[in-house]
Amino acid sequence: QVQLVQSGAEVKKPGASVKVSCKASGYTFTSYGISWVRQAPGQGLEWMGWISAYNGNTNYAQKLQGRVTMTTDTSTSTAYMELRSLRSDDTAVYYCARDLRGYDFGYYYYMDVWGKGTTVTVSS
Amino acid sequence: QSVLTQPPSASGTPGQRVTISCSRGSSNIGSNYVYWYQQLPGTAPKLLIYRNNQRPSGVPDRFSGSKSGTSASLAISGLRSEDEADYYCAAWDDSLSGNYVFGTGTKVTVL
Repeated sequence: QVQLVQSGAEVKKPGASVKVSCKASGYTFTSYGISWVRQAPGQGLEWMGWISAYNGNTNYAQKLQGRVTMTTDTSTSTAYMELRSLRSDDTAVYYCARDLRGYDFGYYYYMDVWGKGTTVTVSS
Repeated sequence: QSVLTQPPSASGTPGQRVTISCSRGSSNIGSNYVYWYQQLPGTAPKLLIYRNNQRPSGVPDRFSGSKSGTSASLAISGLRSEDEADYYCAAWDDSLSGNYVFGTGTKVTVL
């Protein structure tokens, strides 16, 4: 079955970096994209960006430009999200999700399979 | 960043129909598809509705989505206890930032 397995919880100090992995299985990795969404404690969902597993193209949320990098390793069907210069308000659960993007009667973009999430805690 | 506005809460008794609204401007809902995600307590979000009113395989037909102008709505008919969750609408935003925006979220309680 289609599955996304994320790496384990992380605790980081302010100013450090974190890299979260997301290993896909059960489908052709390069036929879809991978999106990242985070959720701060008790808060709503925040879109972080996407990466095409086909060609590596990325689109990052303007708020995170310059601090986030999304990559993929097609040999292992794994996606990565690195966030640098961590601050306390980066404390959140980080989700990866398989995404579909394209055009029919309009532009469509959505996430149909989600990982279980990785908790990242930023604390001194 | 654009925000899609949802009521913070909604409730109903088992068997009732509950409707959740989602509204914003023309740069997102007005010109793009709307999606709905369900997040059960302590779990990852799950796709509930895509392209305004389409249900993925496995989603019960008790859930339906609609869109009109710059507003969208999710209806849950025949409410069940397992529907108690947070629900988020989402849409692509065509403004300069070109971001995907989520709604503020609605907590549905089954009384």
